[in-house]
Amino acid sequence: EAQVTQNPRYLITVTGKKLTVTCSQNMNHEYMSWYRQDPGLGLRQIYYSMNVEVTDKGDVPEGYKVSRKEKRNFPLILESPSPNQTSLYFCASSGVGVREQYFGPGTRLTVT
Amino acid sequence: GENVEQHPSTLSVQEGDSAVIKCTYSDSASNYFPWYKQELGKGPQLIIDIRSNVGEKKDQRIAVTLNKTAKHFSLHITETQPEDSAVYFCAALLLRGGNKLVFGAGTILRVKS
Repeated sequence: EAQVTQNPRYLITVTGKKLTVTCSQNMNHEYMSWYRQDPGLGLRQIYYSMNVEVTDKGDVPEGYKVSRKEKRNFPLILESPSPNQTSLYFCASSGVGVREQYFGPGTRLTVT
Repeated sequence: GENVEQHPSTLSVQEGDSAVIKCTYSDSASNYFPWYKQELGKGPQLIIDIRSNVGEKKDQRIAVTLNKTAKHFSLHITETQPEDSAVYFCAALLLRGGNKLVFGAGTILRVKS
């Protein structure tokens, strides 16, 4: 089954404790992206990757890091999480540039 | 910056009625406009999209219209059913400053049976 998977689905952590949210897709897509979803703000892009070893900042990259060492994986790293990073995070991928993006099921992160 | 405005933020309709959600965008160079449906506890799913070279596209009970001059586009759902209840997001492909999708804030659609 073609899909985007994220782990973990739920995470509660404390301020300053480094964490990684994994994202993997099995569709051989070149484009991958991370978004955060907050009430009343829709989906905002954090980082994106057009291909392996190519990443770029989205609209809200502060406090986040990403890497793209393999085509299928695109982990999101929070080196020192803060409460304002409490949000619902989505990974997405596409085989046609930024169009027709497939989204993962989401990761709900709470930072206390 | 470039943005997409979406209205209404919530919409309640009776089963069988039609629902319309409207979006406006600011980047006149935008040429791709998708609509996503997000059910509770799930990620957004692409339901229909339209490119700037057409004015309307239909897929069964769903249609999208585009007015490039006015820079707005709309989602139309006819004969609504309870399973249409979800959050709907519009988006526009922003070409200035790099290819990326800019999303609206979302519309919560409730279909009452």
